[in-house]
Amino acid sequence: AQSVTQLGSHVSVSEGALVLLRCNYSSSVPPYLFWYVQYPNQGLQLLLKYTSAATLVKGINGFEAEFKKSETSFHLTKPSAHMSDAAEYFCAVSGSSNTGKLIFGQGTTLQVKP
Amino acid sequence: EAGVAQSPRYKIIEKRQSVAFWCNPISGHATLYWYQQILGQGPKLLIQFQNNGVVDDSQLPKDRFSAERLKGVDSTLKIQPAKLEDSAVYLCASSLPNGNTIYFGEGSWLTVV
Repeated sequence: AQSVTQLGSHVSVSEGALVLLRCNYSSSVPPYLFWYVQYPNQGLQLLLKYTSAATLVKGINGFEAEFKKSETSFHLTKPSAHMSDAAEYFCAVSGSSNTGKLIFGQGTTLQVKP
Repeated sequence: EAGVAQSPRYKIIEKRQSVAFWCNPISGHATLYWYQQILGQGPKLLIQFQNNGVVDDSQLPKDRFSAERLKGVDSTLKIQPAKLEDSAVYLCASSLPNGNTIYFGEGSWLTVV
């Protein structure tokens, strides 16, 4: 079975500060890992994905994430937060059968203060 | 490239009534998913289709939920009768068969009163 834990349901940062959103996964097989962003009243948009290539993955809007197998982590970072980054962020892992089924974490709401 | 289309965007119904949501996936995407997202939670897979066949419906409450994908393109998700706890966003998504990248629609917001 696979699972995802996102540490911290709410994260608040000041504009220009580092963004760090934490994600830990559990998987009995090599995982595919994803970060999605959801803006108010919208669907999910893919930020980035890890598919067993480079462990440091760069995504859209200046975000990146590093896959650390020893820590079973896939934390999302951005060097400098922008007001437009305020949204809900979901970490997800693909199903063990690689059918494409995503198992999501509970989500982290990012607040950016001016 | 057109994204995943869903309708209606918003629906309010009374408990015990029925509702149906429609989804049109990205052209050429053989795999289609319906997820349920309850407020404050991450999305949960309800059903996955490969073309017009069901791959996984293990978390679909089959006593009240049904879904079909005739002709392997559009899909409809139906709830009958609705319960208060069905209030959620129903997200349709699609992908190519390898499933590495799943694209989501904007969702259909259901409120059951």
